[in-house]
Amino acid sequence: AQSVTQLDSQVPVFEEAPVELRCNYSSSVSVYLFWYVQYPNQGLQLLLKYLSGSTLVKGINGFEAEFNKSQTSFHLRKPSVHISDTAEYFCAVSDLRSDYKLSFGAGTTVTVRA
Amino acid sequence: DTAVSQTPKYLVTQMGNDKSIKCEQNLGHDTMYWYKQDSKKFLKIMFSYNNKELIINETVPNRFSPKSPDKAHLNLHINSLELGDSAVYFCASSQRGSNYGYTFGSGTRLTVV
Repeated sequence: AQSVTQLDSQVPVFEEAPVELRCNYSSSVSVYLFWYVQYPNQGLQLLLKYLSGSTLVKGINGFEAEFNKSQTSFHLRKPSVHISDTAEYFCAVSDLRSDYKLSFGAGTTVTVRA
Repeated sequence: DTAVSQTPKYLVTQMGNDKSIKCEQNLGHDTMYWYKQDSKKFLKIMFSYNNKELIINETVPNRFSPKSPDKAHLNLHINSLELGDSAVYFCASSQRGSNYGYTFGSGTRLTVV
């Protein structure tokens, strides 16, 4: 079965600084990877996804992620954060063997300070 | 138009009561899900229905019973509510066999007192 580990539970960062959120996955077959964002008291919104092709994926709100098969990672980055990026970020994985069931990591809380 | 809508958004109820949460999607997807998000923000899948057929039933107390009258609706009924049922419940939908991920509703915050 596939699984996801988010290596940082909390990431405090100053406004306009870069941020990287780390995600590692395990699966015995080809995977599809996702990053979701949950703003306070809201639902989950898809930031970006990797299905195939280019390993660098660009998403909404200036975020991007890089798929690294050899390191089984899918880290999320943003070069300059805003206060409004304060949220919970979830990495998720699915694969054909699991009938595309989405399994989530434990989440990373990003707090942006002025 | 909201793609996946859940009602109610907030639900406060006493222990022992029975309550229902409703979910509807207008995306034409054939598969719907219920996820539970606990106080530590961890998301765990509970159930999934494909075209009204139950396809995922994780280890969930049988006080929880999903019902799907058609592929656009998935409701969650909870009997004899307990304090530990307090959580945020998310509905989601997708097209089975598609690897495009899920679309989530905005959640129902259930508080059992």
